[in-house]
Amino acid sequence: QQQVKQSPQSLIVQKGGISIINCAYENTAFDYFPWYQQFPGKGPALLIAIRPDVSEKKEGRFTISFNKSAKQFSLHIMDSQPGDSATYFCAALTGFQKLVFGTGTRLLVSP
Amino acid sequence: EPEVTQTPSHQVTQMGQEVILRCVPISNHLYFYWYRQILGQKVEFLVSFYNNEISEKSEIFDDQFSVERPDGSNFTLKIRSTKLEDSAMYFCAIRDRATNEKLFFGSGTQLSVL
Repeated sequence: QQQVKQSPQSLIVQKGGISIINCAYENTAFDYFPWYQQFPGKGPALLIAIRPDVSEKKEGRFTISFNKSAKQFSLHIMDSQPGDSATYFCAALTGFQKLVFGTGTRLLVSP
Repeated sequence: EPEVTQTPSHQVTQMGQEVILRCVPISNHLYFYWYRQILGQKVEFLVSFYNNEISEKSEIFDDQFSVERPDGSNFTLKIRSTKLEDSAMYFCAIRDRATNEKLFFGSGTQLSVL
């Protein structure tokens, strides 16, 4: 119930293309859904987050789409750039409890 | 964005030795967390710490692990007798005091147990 399932495990996208990463959860008590970006040897960095009362949130080239009834959410990276190449983790949180991470997606944007 | 500094950045130790990993949040926060990440795997929760006591811990956080906030500033993770499988990247995180939901992570300590 505490798991967050993430797919795909890895993704290769051409420069300028759209990267899409999907996550699904079971625990309906989760009420905050962040995405983290991680470069090799660095800690996860908060990228964008959404609460379940909205269906979409956009910040620059990054958009979260949220489907509460399906218990799914996804990250879209528009106009993907080589600098976006990193590992992306979705996560979920409820109240003051721990942040639960997905398994990660390794994104490679080819020049 | 709150800054979280972790020391050391790398730690190499022999199996059975004790290690102490340190975290220094620059600004004042209430909630502290330790996570770990084995190479190539997901980030796993170890323990959360609130009001100077453990509020939640995972099954990974057994009797070999302990956390402390000895001087009201530093936040430490101690592993009493390290095992080979403790080799991982250890991240400290703090909960943003302003929003109470955002978690910010340090850059980690790479622990290698030989």
